[in-house]
Amino acid sequence: NAGVTQTPKFRILKIGQSMTLQCAQDMNHNYMYWYRQDPGMGLKLIYYSVGAGITDKGEVPNGYNVSRSTTEDFPLRLELAAPSQTSVYFCASSYSSRNTQGETQYFGPGTRLLVL
Amino acid sequence: AQSVSQHNHHVILSEAASLELGCNYSYGGTVNLFWYVQYPGQHLQLLLKYFSGDPLVKGIKGFEAEFIKSKFSFNLRKPSVQWSDTAEYFCAVTSSNTGKLIFGQGTTLQVKP
Repeated sequence: NAGVTQTPKFRILKIGQSMTLQCAQDMNHNYMYWYRQDPGMGLKLIYYSVGAGITDKGEVPNGYNVSRSTTEDFPLRLELAAPSQTSVYFCASSYSSRNTQGETQYFGPGTRLLVL
Repeated sequence: AQSVSQHNHHVILSEAASLELGCNYSYGGTVNLFWYVQYPGQHLQLLLKYFSGDPLVKGIKGFEAEFIKSKFSFNLRKPSVQWSDTAEYFCAVTSSNTGKLIFGQGTTLQVKP
């Protein structure tokens, strides 16, 4: 299994440009997540999905959109890039979010985004 | 709202020193607790987790953590650190109600050879 994969690894955007961060997992996990990581702030949840066709906002959703047309893929869309979106973005997946058995979230390698 | 607090933002140790990283959370119900590690240039990996049973949890690479419910704490320990333990460490909590993972702000550990 490749686990959770993300593309691209690094991207520079100009203010106002748009882009899609790709995320895919091959573990047949039904839950998927997008986080952003900023220095000294830990990880903040942007959006998450409990299954194909179902998405919901996390803690910091403004400026982002997601879709989940398949179990495997969970792309994150930035429509109008802003300097405040400069960050490292991590995608994660888990079998369940209920954590009744302490299900682990598995993380991708991250996408480093710089908005100038 | 749930929150996680890691008291040490940056820790510098010499090899063979003992390590304890503090983690406190705010939530009164049933929780699941995690420590993740991020080595330089790599993605987050699970170090250990607690969801039930023995409150002393042993993880990979000689790490352990103790869940003390009365103190809302889940501190990470290692008796003797190595240079290869240099990394950023994140404590995280989920509640059985929401299932969402809430992260602390992270602790950067630097181990000097």
